[in-house]
Amino acid sequence: NAGVTQTPKFQVLKTGQSMTLQCAQDMNHNSMYWYRQDPGMGLRLIYYSASEGTTDKGEVPNGYNVSRLNKREFSLRLESAAPSQTSVYFCASSGRQGVDEEKLFFGSGTQLSVL
Amino acid sequence: GDSVTQMEGPVTLSEEAFLTINCTYTATGYPSLFWYVQYPGEGLQLLLKATKADDKGSNKGFEATYRKETTSFHLEKGSVQVSDSAVYFCALRGRNAGNMLTFGGGTRLMVKP
Repeated sequence: NAGVTQTPKFQVLKTGQSMTLQCAQDMNHNSMYWYRQDPGMGLRLIYYSASEGTTDKGEVPNGYNVSRLNKREFSLRLESAAPSQTSVYFCASSGRQGVDEEKLFFGSGTQLSVL
Repeated sequence: GDSVTQMEGPVTLSEEAFLTINCTYTATGYPSLFWYVQYPGEGLQLLLKATKADDKGSNKGFEATYRKETTSFHLEKGSVQVSDSAVYFCALRGRNAGNMLTFGGGTRLMVKP
């Protein structure tokens, strides 16, 4: 089982460049999430999608946009990258209603550096 | 708002030593509590959880007890192995938070042979 797949694994950008991080899950999950991980700060929620067609802001949404393309895919876009967005980004999904719905399944992460 | 505080690492232990990683939380009501583990180069994986006061979550020799009176969920293991070296995250889900989790800062554990 592939689980949650993120691409790319590594990316270096120059300030002002744009890029999209891709995420797909094959577990038929309703909810998907984007987190960023910074040293000593744990994981902070950027955006989430409770179901296909809906998206909501998390704790740190500024500078990001998201698209829930279909039930499987949830992308994160940086329109104009800034050095403060250097981080490790994780996509996650959570289970169907009533079936381990509190358990998050994570991708392996994208390490992004903005110079 | 909800918050989770973990002891800062790194925690360095010898193989077969006893492990405790402290976690305390602030939340309204009765949140669900979790420990996630992140092995090098990987995403986080759920290690254990507890959903109500006095519940004990356990998995792979790790245990944590939901203590409402001290708002704590400390992670323990009686005898660590080199393969337990990882970063451990405490997290909570508030009662009105849907499926969203609030994570602590993470504690890196290094186990030496």
